[in-house]
Amino acid sequence: DTAVSQTPKYLVTQMGNDKSIKCEQNLGHDTMYWYKQDSKKFLKIMFSYNNKELIINETVPNRFSPKSPDKAHLNLHINSLELGDSAVYFCASSPMTSSSTDTQYFGPGTRLTVL
Amino acid sequence: AQSVTQLGSHVSVSEGALVLLRCNYSSSVPPYLFWYVQYPNQGLQLLLKYTSAATLVKGINGFEAEFKKSETSFHLTKPSAHMSDAAEYFCAVKKAAGNKLTFGGGTRVLVKP
Repeated sequence: DTAVSQTPKYLVTQMGNDKSIKCEQNLGHDTMYWYKQDSKKFLKIMFSYNNKELIINETVPNRFSPKSPDKAHLNLHINSLELGDSAVYFCASSPMTSSSTDTQYFGPGTRLTVL
Repeated sequence: AQSVTQLGSHVSVSEGALVLLRCNYSSSVPPYLFWYVQYPNQGLQLLLKYTSAATLVKGINGFEAEFKKSETSFHLTKPSAHMSDAAEYFCAVKKAAGNKLTFGGGTRVLVKP
């Protein structure tokens, strides 16, 4: 059973297009995240949602819009894609917002390539 | 602001040799510290975490790390490297309040036969 799943695994698209990445977790966790890993493997948090409510929003262009229809899903929509958006995007989840000792569980990643 | 520095972007070890990956953090308050491993084309998996209990933390796959407050370090070790340890390793820090993980730049481990 996959704990945190993402679709698609690979996404190749042209500059200027709009695309979405989906994430689902079956762990019953309250909190979900989106991270971006660049070509140098540097990982940075983008967003965090707790029970469908946005709680972390890092300095991310407003072309990126997360959407959480329920606490098991956190999707990432990207408008007007740019070359610099090429990266691997990881979804993660953790049990509770209030506990900083909680482990974050990561999905397998979505490799986005913008041409 | 908190940050994490991993010394050495690449480490090469022989199979059976000691693995030592260095991580130093800066934080204005005592942090929680994590080591994650990323195998090729996969997501991150938790190896171990320090949450202000014992300073020597044992994790999965024979890894352990020691929290040293005086040195602001949380180095990861494994006594004997195995070929399956070849991966990217990330140190991360989190404040005691909040759930934002800040990652270091990663260290790629190569294991030679």
